[in-house]
Amino acid sequence: TQLLEQSPQFLSIQEGENLTVYCNSSSVFSSLQWYRQEPGEGPVLLVTVVTGGEVKKLKRLTFQFGDARKDSSLHITAAQPGDTGLYLCALGSGNTGKLIFGQGTTLQVKP
Amino acid sequence: DSGVTQTPKHLITATGQRVTLRCSPRSGDLSVYWYQQSLDQGLQFLIHYYNGEERAKGNILERFSAQQFPDLHSELNLSSLELGDSALYFCASSVGRELFFGEGSRLTVL
Repeated sequence: TQLLEQSPQFLSIQEGENLTVYCNSSSVFSSLQWYRQEPGEGPVLLVTVVTGGEVKKLKRLTFQFGDARKDSSLHITAAQPGDTGLYLCALGSGNTGKLIFGQGTTLQVKP
Repeated sequence: DSGVTQTPKHLITATGQRVTLRCSPRSGDLSVYWYQQSLDQGLQFLIHYYNGEERAKGNILERFSAQQFPDLHSELNLSSLELGDSALYFCASSVGRELFFGEGSRLTVL
């Protein structure tokens, strides 16, 4: 069974700081997605990465896919309180929505 | 607003009971996925339906069942409930790999 490990589990930082969260797999994956979930809501897709070494930017968020396609990272620059939430990485299975999720990183950004 | 509607938002029931959770996917989406989110297990895939047919099963207990109706809405039936079934149950619909999640149904079993 392919497993995803996310680190750190919890992160509490001050507004304006930078941070990186990591997602590692026990084996090579074809694609990986990052989701963000706020309390009381469902996860919302941030990005899908498919190519080894790929880097995608979404405003202050930078997503990287490892060259060997076994790991990914999410870097947030100048974090804002609105970035607070649970960040989940997920492995895809073919071209469907059957996903394997990591346990997530809970981020708290204090004003 | 993802366009996926789930009811009820909250449900409190007793052990041994049976409940039904309902999901309406985004307009035009043929796929419906059910996921369970608990503190210890995280977000776990339960089952996938496409246009009324079951396509994939995940870690779904035998006490749980689901179906998708001709109008594409789906229901997840949970029976003989146990304390450990307390969790958030999410429905999602998709186009390809991108999932659109509803706001979830929070089930509390007492």
